[in-house]
Amino acid sequence: AQSVTQLDSHVSVSEGTPVLLRCNYSSSYSPSLFWYVQHPNKGLQLLLKYTSAATLVKGINGFEAEFKKSETSFHLTKPSAHMSDAAEYFCVVSLFTGGGNKLTFGTGTQLKVEL
Amino acid sequence: GAVVSQHPSWVICKSGTSVKIECRSLDFQATTMFWYRQFPKQSLMLMATSNEGSKATYEQGVEKDKFLINHASLTLSTLTVTSAHPEDSSFYICSARDFRGDSNEQFFGPGTRLTVL
Repeated sequence: AQSVTQLDSHVSVSEGTPVLLRCNYSSSYSPSLFWYVQHPNKGLQLLLKYTSAATLVKGINGFEAEFKKSETSFHLTKPSAHMSDAAEYFCVVSLFTGGGNKLTFGTGTQLKVEL
Repeated sequence: GAVVSQHPSWVICKSGTSVKIECRSLDFQATTMFWYRQFPKQSLMLMATSNEGSKATYEQGVEKDKFLINHASLTLSTLTVTSAHPEDSSFYICSARDFRGDSNEQFFGPGTRLTVL
């Protein structure tokens, strides 16, 4: 079985300050992990993914995440928040099965960026 | 990058009617498509996995006779909500996997908001 836990349902930061969105995972196998962003009434956009290569993964828009097996974590960070970063963020774990991969989504973290 | 479209983007229907939602991969072929449901301020829940030319695989608790899925071609999957009721109102999102590329990446459509009156 696999699961992800997003530890914060809401995070609020000031523009220009660092962002940290926390995610812990549980997987019986070596997981593939993703972070997606969802803006209001928009589709999901892939920010970055980890697939057993480098543990520090760089994504789009200045985001990055570090895979820490010992802590079963995959936290998302950004050095300096921008107003346009305000959105819902989902941590996702993937399990590849014979019929394809199944994604399990976390419950999401709403990021609010204030002036 | 790979683009997935959904049609319609929103639909309002009366209780008891059926609604069809289309999911298309625009610039790649998708042997596998996925249908998700998202309630307001909640996460995405996988409803079913759709493989081209075969029957869909439904997740536990999803009524296959209510949510009919057809994946007739490598670029199109449809979800039909039959005899819709207000509790079926939700945001339905599809995704598609490019059979030539990274087997772990899915590309998501923009979603369809269904409101059943």
